Order: sequence, then C-alpha cells, then structure tokens
Amino acid sequence: NAGVTQTPKFRVLKTGQSMTLLCAQDMNHEYMYWYRQDPGMGLRLIHYSVGEGTTAKGEVPDGYNVSRLKKQNFLLGLESAAPSQTSVYFCASTPPSSYEQYFGPGTRLTVT
Amino acid sequence: QQPVQSPQAVILREGEDAVINCSSSKALYSVHWYRQKHGEAPVFLMILLKGGEQKGHEKISASFNEKKQQSSLYLTASQLSYSGTYFCGTGLQGAQKLVFGQGTRLTINP
Repeated sequence: NAGVTQTPKFRVLKTGQSMTLLCAQDMNHEYMYWYRQDPGMGLRLIHYSVGEGTTAKGEVPDGYNVSRLKKQNFLLGLESAAPSQTSVYFCASTPPSSYEQYFGPGTRLTVT
Repeated sequence: QQPVQSPQAVILREGEDAVINCSSSKALYSVHWYRQKHGEAPVFLMILLKGGEQKGHEKISASFNEKKQQSSLYLTASQLSYSGTYFCGTGLQGAQKLVFGQGTRLTINP
C-alpha cells in the first residue's frame, strides 16, 4: 500500500493562476480531508468529505473548491491563487471504523 | 474555536518528563494527539473519547478531564525520538472533524 499520496510536492504560482492538488489513498477509506498548515497556526481544515460524491466546508474554505468523484481521490482546487494561500497543504484520510487520520506527505505551495 | 496548547515550547534533557496541555472553551466529544517531525506529516499518537478511559502505551499517555474540557499528554523518561511538534485536535460532535491547536514544540537534548 502506498497509503496517502499527494501530487505535486512543490509548486510555485503567480497571483491569479489556478491549480489543482490531487490526494489519492489506496486504503479504501471513507473520510478524506484537506488541511493547510501555516507557521504558528497548526492545521486548519479547509474542506472534507465523508464519502464519494459528498463534500463539506471546514474552518477556512474561502478561495478553495473540492471534488470527490472517486472514493480514492480528493481534489483541492484554487481558482485564482492569492499570496495568502501560500502554505503547506496536507491531505488525510480515515477509515469509517477508526478515528485515526492518516496524513499524506504534504504539498508546499508558494504564491508570488 | 481553536483549542489552546501550553506550553508553546519546551526543552528537556533525555530522560526527563514532559506534560503538554490542551484546553478548549467548548464541550468536547474527543481529543486526538499527533506528533509532527520537521518537514514530515503529522502522525497519530492516541485518541481520548468522552466517557472513555485514559489512554497510553509505554512512556506516552494522556488524560481527558471532561469537566474542564482539558487534555494532557504525558511523556515520561523522554527519548531523543520524542522531539517534534505535538498537536491536539478536538472533536465537538464527533471524532472525525477536528480543530487543531497551534502546537507545542518539544526539543530533547542528549
């Protein structure tokens, strides 16, 4: 099992550009999450999904959209990137019978 | 609302004990503890559920005071491998959707 993988690992965008971050898990987990981590702020939940075809907003959803068309994939989109979205983005997943979140390795995004 | 962790940072010598606290102003259903090493992803340590028992294994344990909405993580006889940033995550209505604290940086020196 590869666990939770994230693509890409690093990305630099210019203000106004768009991009999609891909999270994939091969553990058949129901729940998936997108977090951002900024220095001194801990992990903040952007959006999450409790199953294929369903998504919900977290603490800081503005400026982001998500889709969960397939159970194993959870996509995070930035339609018009802003410097405030410079951060490290983590994806995580949880099986329905457990509360443990398995995190991916992260994507470091810089918006100039 | 984000739970508050204390202290923000602590430096210990190998073999010393540490306590990290996590406090919330809201009624909690669950408290989760994660450790993150520099440049890596967070790794799950343990979860405490409302009405559940104190958790722990070997030298890392935790408690959950439901009346005070506080949790404490105890690291005894710390090892170099314990270094990292510890986060508590709190669940209000369930244990899947979490709000994380700002983290406590633990440094263990030889």
